[in-house]
Amino acid sequence: DGGITQSPKYLFRKEGQNVTLSCEQNLNHDAMYWYRQDPGQGLRLIYYSQIVNDFQKGDIAEGYSVSREKKESFPLTVTSAQKNPTAFYLCASSNAIYNEQFFGPGTRLTVL
Amino acid sequence: AQSVTQPDIHITVSEGASLELRCNYSYGATPYLFWYVQSPGQGLQLLLKYFSGDTLVQGIKGFEAEFKRSQSSFNLRKPSVHWSDAAEYFCAVGVNNNAGNMLTFGGGTRLMVKP
Repeated sequence: DGGITQSPKYLFRKEGQNVTLSCEQNLNHDAMYWYRQDPGQGLRLIYYSQIVNDFQKGDIAEGYSVSREKKESFPLTVTSAQKNPTAFYLCASSNAIYNEQFFGPGTRLTVL
Repeated sequence: AQSVTQPDIHITVSEGASLELRCNYSYGATPYLFWYVQSPGQGLQLLLKYFSGDTLVQGIKGFEAEFKRSQSSFNLRKPSVHWSDAAEYFCAVGVNNNAGNMLTFGGGTRLMVKP
């Protein structure tokens, strides 16, 4: 089955720790995206990548980092510099021509 | 810059009643338009999309949407709501620019269905 997988589904972090959220797609899409969603709010773009070995900051990149070493993988690291990381994180991918984005099931990150 | 407004944060309808969720966008050219649905704790699922052509588009789960250029709107409709339609709905506009293929999302409308 083609799709996007995110792991883990739930993640707990102590203050001061870095954590990495996994995102993998087997849709052969060039572009991948990370969004943050807070309760009652829409989606805010953290980082995106249009091609391997290249990525761009979105609207709320501070405190986050990404890498894109393989086409199918786009991991997100939430660093200790992110002051309020508790949120629902969504990964998405799209092809090069249309903007239709396919979403993973999400990772809920909670800071203890 | 493009923007999307969903004026209704919450909507409650009775099961079997008709539904219309509003979406207004701001963009200088003809946009790509999307409606997504999100169940609690889940990712977003695409309901339907408009790229060009017929302004009335059909989607999954019995949903349809109509693109009205003069009103900059892309409202989502369903003639008879089912309890399983309770979820959050997001309208989005797609833009291709130097930054790449991007989506701008509205703030979402939470739909509650009364039995």
